[in-house]
Amino acid sequence: DAGVIQSPRHEVTEMGQEVTLRCKPISGHNSLFWYRQTMMRGLELLIYFNNNVPIDDSGMPEDRFSAKMPNASFSTLKIQPSEPRDSAVYFCASTGDGGLREQYFGPGTRLTVT
Amino acid sequence: GQQLNQSPQSMFIQEGEDVSMNCTSSSIFNTWLWYKQDPGEGPVLLIALYKAGELTSNGRLTAQFGITRKDSFLNISASIPSDVGIYFCAGPTSGTYKYIFGTGTRLKVLA
Repeated sequence: DAGVIQSPRHEVTEMGQEVTLRCKPISGHNSLFWYRQTMMRGLELLIYFNNNVPIDDSGMPEDRFSAKMPNASFSTLKIQPSEPRDSAVYFCASTGDGGLREQYFGPGTRLTVT
Repeated sequence: GQQLNQSPQSMFIQEGEDVSMNCTSSSIFNTWLWYKQDPGEGPVLLIALYKAGELTSNGRLTAQFGITRKDSFLNISASIPSDVGIYFCAGPTSGTYKYIFGTGTRLKVLA
């Protein structure tokens, strides 16, 4: 069974450009999480979806960040406009029990904003 | 954001040695998860713990859910070079889906 799939694996963009990160959760999982990982702050939860509905977006750093989950098998995280401080690794994770059990992570997208 | 404290932060060990690391929190957890992250990859789930006092093994790995519910331990027996990586503990704050991740223990194994 395929794990969480993320694309692209690497993204290099210039400041001010729009960036879209994609995630396909594990089939059958009903909760999806977006995280950001940096050396300084570790893993931070950005937003949590349950049954395609955003439940908590309090971790989204600012209005430049937005996330959608149009169906159970696809989610996007968009940054517009991007800034150098957004450079990080962005992970998507999914779980099948309303978020209270094991989370399975994707391979991540390494974003570099120059 | 809030984080769990892991110790040690990093360790060098010889191949074949046993490794112990722990994770502590100021608040109670009802689930503890242990992950390993290799460079350039996402965290991979190793062991999940759901009851205070629970001891669970996965091959050479053994993890325990502390009785106080504020700590957890991970042991690796007979380490091998592929054990190199960063080990994270994680758990949801009580009754929520919000997972807090530890600061990580970086393990380096000398062949």
